[in-house]
Amino acid sequence: DQQVKQNSPSLSVQEGRISILNCDYTNSMFDYFLWYKKYPAEGPTFLISISSIKDKNEDGRFTVFLNKSAKHLSLHIVPSQPGDSAVYFCAASVGSSNTGKLIFGQGTTLQVKP
Amino acid sequence: EAGVAQSPRYKIIEKRQSVAFWCNPISGHATLYWYQQILGQGPKLLIQFQNNGVVDDSQLPKDRFSAERLKGVDSTLKIQPAKLEDSAVYLCASLGLLEQYFGPGTRLTVT
Repeated sequence: DQQVKQNSPSLSVQEGRISILNCDYTNSMFDYFLWYKKYPAEGPTFLISISSIKDKNEDGRFTVFLNKSAKHLSLHIVPSQPGDSAVYFCAASVGSSNTGKLIFGQGTTLQVKP
Repeated sequence: EAGVAQSPRYKIIEKRQSVAFWCNPISGHATLYWYQQILGQGPKLLIQFQNNGVVDDSQLPKDRFSAERLKGVDSTLKIQPAKLEDSAVYLCASLGLLEQYFGPGTRLTVT
């Protein structure tokens, strides 16, 4: 039972262009969503989050959009840089913070070409 | 501040052997998590501690996996006996004010 799904295993974009990573979920009880970034041989690092009471959260080059009716969220990176090349995981939790149990998607490998 | 420390970084064992992983969280972090990440999948929570008490171990295969955090600081995760399907990266994380901080993980290969 995959409650959080990232249907694109990989994505390749040109430096300077927009990267859009997508995530779908099935559990309507989720009310906090996060994106993590992972480099090889390192643990995931927190990138950005959004509460279900919002539909957009922005932090510098990173913006997360949430569409609750479609149970869909996306991460936009503008402009993309080669250093953004990594695996990106979306995660969701029941509860209004990061303290609960996180359910992760399978991850999307982003490659940003110079 | 120092990050979450894990050891060993890599471990290769044969099936039916036992193995233990160690985690030292960021100083002052009361909540600690162990995750299992199988290749091609996202991390899956195995167990969550609050200080030295277990908050959630619903997805821990208790017939072979055990974890402890006796003094509410560092923690060990043990597998006994290991199976081929236990091959994965085992991640430890601790909870700060707003986010979980992950260690680099231990890559376990069971042959």
